Amino acid sequence: DQQVKQNSPSLSVQEGRISILNCDYTNSMFDYFLWYKKYPAEGPTFLISISSIKDKNEDGRFTVFLNKSAKHLSLHIVPSQPGDSAVYFCAAGKSGGSYIPTFGRGTSLIVHP
Amino acid sequence: DTAVSQTPKYLVTQMGNDKSIKCEQNLGHDTMYWYKQDSKKFLKIMFSYNNKELIINETVPNRFSPKSPDKAHLNLHINSLELGDSAVYFCASSRFGETQYFGPGTRLLVL
Repeated sequence: DQQVKQNSPSLSVQEGRISILNCDYTNSMFDYFLWYKKYPAEGPTFLISISSIKDKNEDGRFTVFLNKSAKHLSLHIVPSQPGDSAVYFCAAGKSGGSYIPTFGRGTSLIVHP
Repeated sequence: DTAVSQTPKYLVTQMGNDKSIKCEQNLGHDTMYWYKQDSKKFLKIMFSYNNKELIINETVPNRFSPKSPDKAHLNLHINSLELGDSAVYFCASSRFGETQYFGPGTRLLVL
């Protein structure tokens, strides 16, 4: 049972344009959400997070939007750069307890020069 | 000065063998984890240790046994390897309740 879904396995974007990566979740108890970025042959690295008390969090070119009623979050990258080409994992978790997030299967982003 | 390191990076072995993967973190974190990324690309938690004590043990065959000699190390021992164990195994660490830092992964191939 996939509690965190990334339905697009891949996304191709032109350099300079906006990249939008989507993520849906099913567990209404999740109250924090994260995005990780992964290059080939490396481990995932934390990119940005958002708590359920917010609907937007911005860090430079990266913005995460949370729509709790739709159980949906998205990562916007503006402007996209070739170095952003990587696999992006969405993750969600519940505060308290083990604090271990549940990961989606990732979306591979390719940014063309 | 790698934060979370794993050895080996690649591991090719025969079915039925016993192997170990080592993980070390120099971040001073109190919690360490093992994840498995299977062919479908999901990252699934296997084990979590906090201050050398097991706090999470997901449904994993008992052929897999984590060992934490100290807070900076969490090794994974796998007995009687099976074809289905082929995957990428990631170690991670964090302060309890905070963002996880991942190692580079160990690519295990069982023939």
